[in-house]
This record gives sequence, structure tokens and C-alpha cells, in this order.
Amino acid sequence: ETGVTQTPRHLVMGMTNKKSLKCEQHLGHNAMYWYKQSAKKPLELMFVYNFKEQTENNSVPSRFSPECPNSSHLFLHLHTLQPEDSALYLCASSQDPTNIQYFGAGTRLSVL
Amino acid sequence: EDKVVQSPLSLVVHEGDTVTLNCSYEVTNFRSLLWYKQEKKAPTFLFMLTSSGIEKKSGRLSSILDKKELFSILNITATQTGDSAIYLCAPPEGNQFYFGTGTSLTVIP
Repeated sequence: ETGVTQTPRHLVMGMTNKKSLKCEQHLGHNAMYWYKQSAKKPLELMFVYNFKEQTENNSVPSRFSPECPNSSHLFLHLHTLQPEDSALYLCASSQDPTNIQYFGAGTRLSVL
Repeated sequence: EDKVVQSPLSLVVHEGDTVTLNCSYEVTNFRSLLWYKQEKKAPTFLFMLTSSGIEKKSGRLSSILDKKELFSILNITATQTGDSAIYLCAPPEGNQFYFGTGTSLTVIP
């Protein structure tokens, strides 16, 4: 257990569905992250939150909408996704954005 | 252009072999480089390197950084099947960590 919990572990959704991914960290960290991991590609940073404020948005399409209500929780709201969005979505947290990141087990998303 | 290049992309060895994984990077205002091991899902932290030439060790794993040549290596001695995983390196630049595609290591009994 890394102290970062993601739910659900697996998700299958149609292109017109709306769903949300949840991440919770029990490490007392101030920074949280969403990454996308596709086959044969490096981990792609999507969003960074530091003290609940979004500090990075790496040109992510608006069909992905993050929410960080407090330093322990991070959501990724999904709407009108495309099949190419199928991937492993990883959440991570760290004490601050320059420090070691601890990852959750990820949500395996399939978009049909 | 990729900020992080890892080699080899994949490696198959027998138990007991020693392996060396390479990570070349190009980031501005270098601060550190992290190594992670990813088995099924969550990457787990292995090492954080900040200084050139100082080896970090954890059991059979060790790593060293060369800030002049902009690379790092991860060594695994006496490999075991449990070492099978993808090994990722990641230097930060600004508020982001840039991950390589990783080296996929398979250890056969």
C-alpha cells in the first residue's frame, strides 16, 4: 500500500457517458497529480494541484475535468470520451511538486 | 524532442544475471533524478539521486548519477523473477517530472 487509493480500479464506458475517477491520499501531502499511461508511451502528466490550486494543465482536452476539493482528494470527471482515451490513469501525491511522488494503483479505463 | 531516453527498451535475462539500465536526460536547472519500479500498476519509488558519483544502494539494486554526461544507471545484481517489471526514470523540470518510456525487464527462472 502506497497511501494513495484510486477508485474504481477498472471502468468501461461509452462515448456518451459521464463518469468520475477518485483519488485519495493518506500521506498528508500537499500536491496531487493525474497521469495518463498508454501502451508503449511515457507517463503523461495531465494536471497538478498544489494546496488545492491547479498549477499545471498540460493541454488536456476539456472532456477531462479535474476537481480538488481538499489536499487529500482529487477527482477526474470524464465526459464524452473518445476510444483513444482508453488508458491507465494514475494518481500521485507528494509533499510538494519538487518531491518524490507516490502513486496509486490506477484506474484502467476502456472507452467503447 | 524527448527529455528522457531509457535503454534498452526491453531486456530478458536469466535468474542470477546482472543487468544495467540506462537513463539519459536533458532538463534545465537539474535538481534530481528519480527511479521507479512498475510491476502491475502503481510505480513504486526506488531512488532519488541528486549528486554525481555517489552511489545509492538498496539490497541488490544500486544507482548512480553523472551530471556532467547527463545520465544515470540502475544496476541489479543476482536478478530474481520478482525483479521483472518496467523501470522508469524521471528528472523534474519546473513543477513537472518527465518520465521515460521505461525499460521492461523480464527475469526467467
